[in-house]
Amino acid sequence: EPEVTQTPSHQVTQMGQEVILRCVPISNHLYFYWYRQILGQKVEFLVSFYNNEISEKSEIFDDQFSVERPDGSNFTLKIRSTKLEDSAMYFCASSDILAGGPIEQFFGPGTRLTVL
Amino acid sequence: DAKTTQPPSMDCAEGRAANLPCNHSTISGNEYVYWYRQIHSQGPQYIIHGLKNNETNEMASLIITEDRKSSTLILPHATLRDTAVYYCISSYGKLTFGQGTILTVHP
Repeated sequence: EPEVTQTPSHQVTQMGQEVILRCVPISNHLYFYWYRQILGQKVEFLVSFYNNEISEKSEIFDDQFSVERPDGSNFTLKIRSTKLEDSAMYFCASSDILAGGPIEQFFGPGTRLTVL
Repeated sequence: DAKTTQPPSMDCAEGRAANLPCNHSTISGNEYVYWYRQIHSQGPQYIIHGLKNNETNEMASLIITEDRKSSTLILPHATLRDTAVYYCISSYGKLTFGQGTILTVHP
């Protein structure tokens, strides 16, 4: 069964450093998403990406964040200068299209980002 | 904020049906009702979704009221591995997670 994969599973970084979180969505999916979950809190939407551009983003997704689909398989989230409050689980998701719109999203296992 | 309301917790005996309710009285006409679950800090797992008809798959059944203002997720024979946080989400596109229902299945 196809699945979303994410690397690394755990990333430790120093405050102010750049990190890139990587995701391989399900191969025939066309919508891609990033969510995050701070320990003990709700899962929060960050950004959605379709047709090589951001289709929607939340207030959390500020100028420190960027997304890219550098090739036909990877989808990345970059945090330019990490802050302590960026420590969280980051989940990638992907979905197919039905009648012109996205349908059910399938999530990866997450990357735990720890900012020291 | 999430647009759905769920009880914070529920218990169920192993082997019995678990019926998880959800209110989504402000759902829009093009929004689907999605159910996901999350076990510990794993990625949310898709369970089922529907627009207005009842749906069934290998994991669960989804009953949506005719006015679409509420729904019930049914796990027909709950097992200990079904212990998780269950999220009901009304959405077209991005998913807005609430606090969900903590379902505990006990022996």
